[in-house]
Amino acid sequence: EAGVVQSPRYKIIEKKQPVAFWCNPISGHNTLYWYLQNLGQGPELLIRYENEEAVDDSQLPKDRFSAERLKGVDSTLKIQPAELGDSAVYLCASSPRLAGYNEQFFGPGTRLTVL
Amino acid sequence: DQQVKQNSPSLSVQEGRISILNCDYTNSMFDYFLWYKKYPAEGPTFLISISSIKDKNEDGRFTVFLNKSAKHLSLHIVPSQPGDSAVYFCAAQGGSEKLVFGKGTKLTVNP
Repeated sequence: EAGVVQSPRYKIIEKKQPVAFWCNPISGHNTLYWYLQNLGQGPELLIRYENEEAVDDSQLPKDRFSAERLKGVDSTLKIQPAELGDSAVYLCASSPRLAGYNEQFFGPGTRLTVL
Repeated sequence: DQQVKQNSPSLSVQEGRISILNCDYTNSMFDYFLWYKKYPAEGPTFLISISSIKDKNEDGRFTVFLNKSAKHLSLHIVPSQPGDSAVYFCAAQGGSEKLVFGKGTKLTVNP
């Protein structure tokens, strides 16, 4: 079974530029998560989707961040414009069931560097 | 305010000995706890979990202990192997709410 796929793996951009990350969850997984992981910290949830619906986006900085999950499968996370403080690893995860207690399967992440 | 705390940033043990990683939490609404393992340049991978109705869960060399009254859990790895060297994250969840992660503990198992 293929795992969670993320691209790109690494991205270097200048501040004020836009950037987008893509995630393909494990086939059949209804729930998709985007996390932010700063250096020396644990992952922090940005947004959670159940199918196409964003059910928890309370931690997403909506002035510059946006996300979509069209057709309830792939998802894209966008930052526009990027700031120096956005340099971090962006992790995507998926889980098989809606709500409740689910093991989350993580992708390898996208390491973003903003210069 | 950190709700899940891993107070030891690093731990070093000898191969074959026991590794004990600790985690404390403050939110009494948490009732499901997980440990994830992370290698460099990879995403976290699920290791073991425990529900608050239990005080112990074992899977091979890995055992998680939960002390609800102390709001403390620990992960025991016996015997430790060099391949266990990684960063270990403790995570907690309450109901259908989000996972809250600790900052991680870097385990080094020396041959």
